[in-house]
Amino acid sequence: DVVMTQTPVSLPVSLGGQASISCRSSQSLVHSNGNTYLHWYLQKPGQSPQLLIYRVSNRFSGVPDRFSGSGSGTDFTLKISRVEPEDLGDYYCLQSTHFPPTFGGGTKLELK
Amino acid sequence: EIQLQESGPGLVKPSQSLSLTCSVTGYTITSGYDWSWIRKFPGNKMEWMGYISYSGSTNYNPSLKSRISITRDTSKNQFFLQLNSVTTEDTATYYCASWRSQRGYFDYWGQGVMVTVSS
Repeated sequence: DVVMTQTPVSLPVSLGGQASISCRSSQSLVHSNGNTYLHWYLQKPGQSPQLLIYRVSNRFSGVPDRFSGSGSGTDFTLKISRVEPEDLGDYYCLQSTHFPPTFGGGTKLELK
Repeated sequence: EIQLQESGPGLVKPSQSLSLTCSVTGYTITSGYDWSWIRKFPGNKMEWMGYISYSGSTNYNPSLKSRISITRDTSKNQFFLQLNSVTTEDTATYYCASWRSQRGYFDYWGQGVMVTVSS
């Protein structure tokens, strides 16, 4: 299985500040069709995961532009600018280029 | 809007079978999507378990292949998870979710049901 390594595990931030989360894969996530199936989710306390970013850099419907994704190959980053209280929770990357789909271990975004 | 809701027992004894139901509203499960089960362990690791497609075919995580079965009842617009021979390591929160195979992501999720395996 493709191993997804997320860092940091915990990320203290100040409201209004910026956060950056890294996700690295054990092999390239470029599919034979040319697409890269790397996605980002946020799980708020007491809720189910919600899709933020799909295929590296595309914001899902309703996701504010404070969230941005970038990267290629095996190295990906989620950036959150102007952090708001509703951004706090657990962030996960997901790869679905290779079978089976696998998740990163998660990053807890919390207040400093 | 598509909504999913898991249901089932919160406590299962070791060596027994875990059985969960996912009820889908707002969409007919035979119309499209693949319908998945995902679990989140204490400590936050997440694992995709498998799916049943809109056509009824199944695909499972090889790590579970000998223990898992996903079925459906199209008349009730529900799909089911059965996990056999459970151990304490199967203690987790179980989610059902819709899988967009062409796009490669899960977009709609249930709220999750916590299942504890304990004697």
